[in-house]
Amino acid sequence: DAKTTQPNSMESNEEEPVHLPCNHSTISGTDYIHWYRQLPSQGPEYVIHGLTSNVNNRMASLAIAEDRKSSTLILHRATLRDAAVYYCILSYRDDKIIFGKGTRLHILP
Amino acid sequence: NAGVTQTPKFQVLKTGQSMTLQCAQDMNHEYMSWYRQDPGMGLRLIHYSVGAGITDQGEVPNGYNVSRSTTEDFPLRLLSAAPSQTSVYFCASRQDRAPYEQYFGPGTRLTVT
Repeated sequence: DAKTTQPNSMESNEEEPVHLPCNHSTISGTDYIHWYRQLPSQGPEYVIHGLTSNVNNRMASLAIAEDRKSSTLILHRATLRDAAVYYCILSYRDDKIIFGKGTRLHILP
Repeated sequence: NAGVTQTPKFQVLKTGQSMTLQCAQDMNHEYMSWYRQDPGMGLRLIHYSVGAGITDQGEVPNGYNVSRSTTEDFPLRLLSAAPSQTSVYFCASRQDRAPYEQYFGPGTRLTVT
């Protein structure tokens, strides 16, 4: 079973910020938190990762709770091109990497 | 670098036929894996490998075989295709050191009639 839980779907208006939540209550100290997204008819692509501290890159920000049991992917200004399925997964060295169902993000023009 | 490549892009098989989906990566990644994605669903792990000569089962391994004779290649064999194996297959690879980011291939769309 996936080690993370995410809402099935979310909606947001174009040009507004989007906060995508993820719960990972059984996270271990060595697990990295990864976010991927899958655009229609494409393979998943890496978005961002973190271990303990909040992270920013050109695509998004990742906010990690102090106890590491949850995280939030933040898209600062959603565009129609951000409509995709977003997956939150935990990753460590030789572990199986199990994807859950992810969150389908709909962007309203 | 080409990254992760998969061939073929599309394939139609008849029930009972066998075939091999090819996956190669040129990033010298130790970890490689195969996923399938059915319409409207998430990815499910079929098999994975943590290095040449080492493979292990994922969530849905039945009906599939893998081998890893080189670091670069990780083929997926369908032994006797069934309509339930109609799906999109993705291969992925990653380093065995932090942060363990995965790179995915473009996928193979397989239809079994």
